[in-house]
Amino acid sequence: QSVLTQPPSASGTPGQRVTISCSGGTSNIGTNYVFWYQQFPGTAPRLLIFDNHQRPSGVHDRFSGSKSGTSASLAISGLRSEDEAHYYCAAWDDILSGWTFGGGTTLTVL
Amino acid sequence: EVQLVESGGGLAQPGGSLRLSCAASGLTFSNYWMSWVRQAPGKGLEWVANINQNGSERYYVDSLKGRFTISRDNAKNLVYLQMNSLRVEDTAVYYCSGGLGFDFWGQGRLVTVSS
Repeated sequence: QSVLTQPPSASGTPGQRVTISCSGGTSNIGTNYVFWYQQFPGTAPRLLIFDNHQRPSGVHDRFSGSKSGTSASLAISGLRSEDEAHYYCAAWDDILSGWTFGGGTTLTVL
Repeated sequence: EVQLVESGGGLAQPGGSLRLSCAASGLTFSNYWMSWVRQAPGKGLEWVANINQNGSERYYVDSLKGRFTISRDNAKNLVYLQMNSLRVEDTAVYYCSGGLGFDFWGQGRLVTVSS
């Protein structure tokens, strides 16, 4: 069972705005930065968001991240069919002295 | 362009050993934390270990401490994962990743532990 909790699935129609939540605790999200990754089946993950809300170059501004207390969210606006993928949050945990990933959310574009 | 290319791994029997290597290019390797992350078939991502720029700090997921060892060679732009006392549950795709927040990823290498 993951230290960071994500909903197993999310869905939306093209053009909609979808949010994916990531719930943790004071030793991880509450204290440290949150990161988000996108993974298509059979491929390596890709960094989407770092330091809670920053986007690497090449990531579309339809993707945004936020953090409040011990929870974080990834928002995808203007949903497209190519956004169908698995999404993972991650944060360093001070008690574990290690990184922890959320269980992942499968996004379906209806 | 940053490239991380894993090699090694493959098939091992329970109790056996394997070593994964990851060759980095397109970045100043000695400036980056390096990590290994694994993904069991049909499962999510699990962080395995990471190592700081000069190798003086290493961290491991608790469940693997004592069996896996991460190391690096900055002269050769290589990071390694030595895996000992392998178990069936270690079967996974192992990804090499660079950067403190897993900025860059290799394509992954399948490790299968089976008798």
